[in-house]
Amino acid sequence: EVQLVESGGGLVQPGGSLRLSCAASGSTFSSYWMSWVRQAPGKGLEWVANIKEDGSEKNYVDSVKGRFTISRDNPKNSLYLQMNSLRAEDTAVYYCARGQRLGFWGQGTLVTVSS
Amino acid sequence: QTVVTQEPSFSVSPGGTVTLTCGLSSGSVSTSNYPSWYQQTPGQAPRTLIYNTNTRSSGVPGRFSGSILGNKAALTITGAQADDESDYYCLLYMGSGIWVFGGGTKLTVL
Repeated sequence: EVQLVESGGGLVQPGGSLRLSCAASGSTFSSYWMSWVRQAPGKGLEWVANIKEDGSEKNYVDSVKGRFTISRDNPKNSLYLQMNSLRAEDTAVYYCARGQRLGFWGQGTLVTVSS
Repeated sequence: QTVVTQEPSFSVSPGGTVTLTCGLSSGSVSTSNYPSWYQQTPGQAPRTLIYNTNTRSSGVPGRFSGSILGNKAALTITGAQADDESDYYCLLYMGSGIWVFGGGTKLTVL
């Protein structure tokens, strides 16, 4: 059974940094693209970033380019999202998902950016 | 910038059929946009229903189907049930590695 478990969320001040992690199990992690999706409170889903199986290609939504970095560690079956220069509008539940088409989802981790 | 459009809300009677659509503010949706559909109930993570236009994800009931209708992607629920009452999101590939969600449709079954 595929499992994706996010961690690392919390309260951070504007301008601060946070690193999210996603631990994968139940499938061959290194065989899949991986993605991050977020959902602000009471709002819809927003695709944030994805990364190719070997990490050689990374894509980002314009609003996080230059501030967020997606990465992965295949031997550790882990996906990461380094978030810098955080803004209030980055407040959201962040989900990791398997594949470009988001076949499996984690339960999410809440990031709150507030002073 | 191209926006992905969905009906904000829709209602269907139990046992009825409903078709939700996913369009582009500029241009037509095609299979090259690899339309996907997701179901989300409050407080839960999304669940993948359909990917690559019309492929059902594992475990998804056959009453959910995807297609291209005219210039939009479509999700049809045939024989709607009470627990189909959810938010539904489409996702489109926009090229250059970028994907965009629609704003979501709140489906009421009553």
